[in-house]
Formats: sequence, C-alpha cells, structure tokens
Amino acid sequence: KAGVTQTPRYLIKTRGQQVTLSCSPISGHRSVSWYQQTPGQGLQFLFEYFSETQRNKGNFPGRFSGRQFSNSRSEMNVSTLELGDSALYLCASSLAQTQETQYFGPGTRLLVL
Amino acid sequence: GENVEQHPSTLSVQEGDSAVIKCTYSDSASNYFPWYKQELGKGPQLIIDIRSNVGEKKDQRIAVTLNKTAKHFSLHITETQPEDSAVYFCAATGNQFYFGTGTSLTVIP
Repeated sequence: KAGVTQTPRYLIKTRGQQVTLSCSPISGHRSVSWYQQTPGQGLQFLFEYFSETQRNKGNFPGRFSGRQFSNSRSEMNVSTLELGDSALYLCASSLAQTQETQYFGPGTRLLVL
Repeated sequence: GENVEQHPSTLSVQEGDSAVIKCTYSDSASNYFPWYKQELGKGPQLIIDIRSNVGEKKDQRIAVTLNKTAKHFSLHITETQPEDSAVYFCAATGNQFYFGTGTSLTVIP
C-alpha cells in the first residue's frame, strides 16, 4: 500500500507570496493532519481534516488554511508569506479517529526569501 | 491544552549500549502515546506506540513503558546500532497530537 505523498517536495517563495501544498493520504485513510516543523519550535499542529471538515485547529494565524476533498486528499495554503514561515510542512494520515496512529509523509520544505 | 516535555535533547551512546528517552505529559485525558523516529530528510516514522490501558510494550530491541499515575512514558532501545541514529519524538494524544521537542540520538560505532 502506498504511503502518504506530498507535493511539491521543495519550494522557494518570496515574502508576500502565497503557496499551496498538497497531500495524498494512505488509501482508505480519511483523516489528514498538517504540522509545521522548525528547529526552534519542533512539530506544531496546524489543523486536522476529516470527511472534508476541519475537526481541529492549532494556534496559527488565519494566513494558514486548508481543505480536504471528497477523495480525502488535502491541501494547505499559506497566504502573505513571511520569513518565519520557512519550515518543513508535514502531512499525516490516519484511518478516522484522532487517537489512531498517524502516518507521516516526507514533507514539503518551504523556504521564504 | 496538553504539554509534552522530552529529555534529553541529545544523547550519545556506544554501539551495543542501551538508550533511554523520557517524556512527561500534563493532560490526564491523554490515552495514546506513540514514538516516532525521524531520519534526515524524511518524515517521522512510527516505531512503537502504547495505549493507556497497557504499562509496557516491546518490539524486538525497542520497548516503551507508561506510568499513568506519574504521567510519564519512556522509550528504551537496547543493543543500539549505528542505524538507530536519528531524532526521536514522543507524542501524547487527547483531541490532537502533542509532540515532544525531540531527542537527537547518536550511536557511536
């Protein structure tokens, strides 16, 4: 069974631009969570989607948004990029419940210049 | 919300020795505790997990123990090998996953 895939793997943007990242969960998984990973802050939860609905949200500004499609694929968008948004963005999928095992993708490395 | 603390932040051991990483959590409602290994350039990979109704779980050289009363859980790696070198994260889950800050483990051949 294929794992979680994320595209693109690497991105370079400039301040003020916006970016969209994509995540395809493991087949049959309906929950997708997004995390931001930085050396200083570690792994921080952004949001979780289940059946096209946002189920949980972390403490990030409204510039960070996401959505989930009927096939469980998910996208996250960051508008008005700031230098501090440079990070590894990880997507994780699980079958359904929040307290089930999450499987991570390889991440998208975003560099904001 | 939940607060997960992880220690140590770095750990160096000789090949063949054991490594222990400890985590504490604050929310008594948390009941699922996974451990992840992250190698350079890769996403975190689940290596072992434990639920609150179990005190200990073992998988070959890796074991996890949980003390719900004290709100702490630990990862034990025995007979360490160079390929165990990576960053390890603990997590506790209530309504979302809360991760520890990571332990960079180096196994010296």
